[in-house]
Amino acid sequence: DIVMTQSPDSLAVSLDERATINCKSSQSVLYSSNNKNYLAWYQQKPGQPPRLLISWASIRESGVPDRFSGSGSGTDFTFTISSLQTEDVAVYYCQQYYGTPPTFGQGTKVEIK
Amino acid sequence: QVQLQESGPGLVKPSETLSLTCTVSGGSINSDYWSWIRQPPGKGLEWIGYVSYTGSTNYNPSLKSRVTISLDMSKNHFSLRLRSVTAADTAIYYCAGAPDRDVYNFDHWGPGTLVTVSS
Repeated sequence: DIVMTQSPDSLAVSLDERATINCKSSQSVLYSSNNKNYLAWYQQKPGQPPRLLISWASIRESGVPDRFSGSGSGTDFTFTISSLQTEDVAVYYCQQYYGTPPTFGQGTKVEIK
Repeated sequence: QVQLQESGPGLVKPSETLSLTCTVSGGSINSDYWSWIRQPPGKGLEWIGYVSYTGSTNYNPSLKSRVTISLDMSKNHFSLRLRSVTAADTAIYYCAGAPDRDVYNFDHWGPGTLVTVSS
């Protein structure tokens, strides 16, 4: 299985400040034939299921605010909230879908400082 | 707007079979890929497997020997059976859907149901 490792495990950021999460895969999730990174980001608020925010490493899902963004390629990826809002308090997961089974990172908890 | 809802017993005895159903409303189950994903309390996410709208299946190798996922188009639902459960199978179980072009981009989720394995 491809192992996904996120850092940090948790972070506290002031309102309107930037939050950055890193995700590293144990092998590349870039498929060379289509130059796509098989990497997604999810948000999970307490008591709720995860919500898909970003797929293909950087493509926001419909309705996702543009303060959320993703970048990276190969084995190293970054998820950024450009201006943290109170409603962004959640656990964020990266997920690879290059290999089967799809696997998730351990999660990063984002809180307000 | 497609909605998913899990149902089934919240308590299962060790060595018995966990059975859950996911009912799909607001859309047809005759498209997309339908997965089960679980999350032990306070922990991360584990994909269990999927059934496609054609009835084909794919399972996580770590659970493959104990899992069956099936589709019932007449009832617009799909089901999970996990045999020989232990306390390690205690988790919130989610059903999720993904489009057939991106079978692991889970863009629809049920609210989840907690299943506890205990005697």
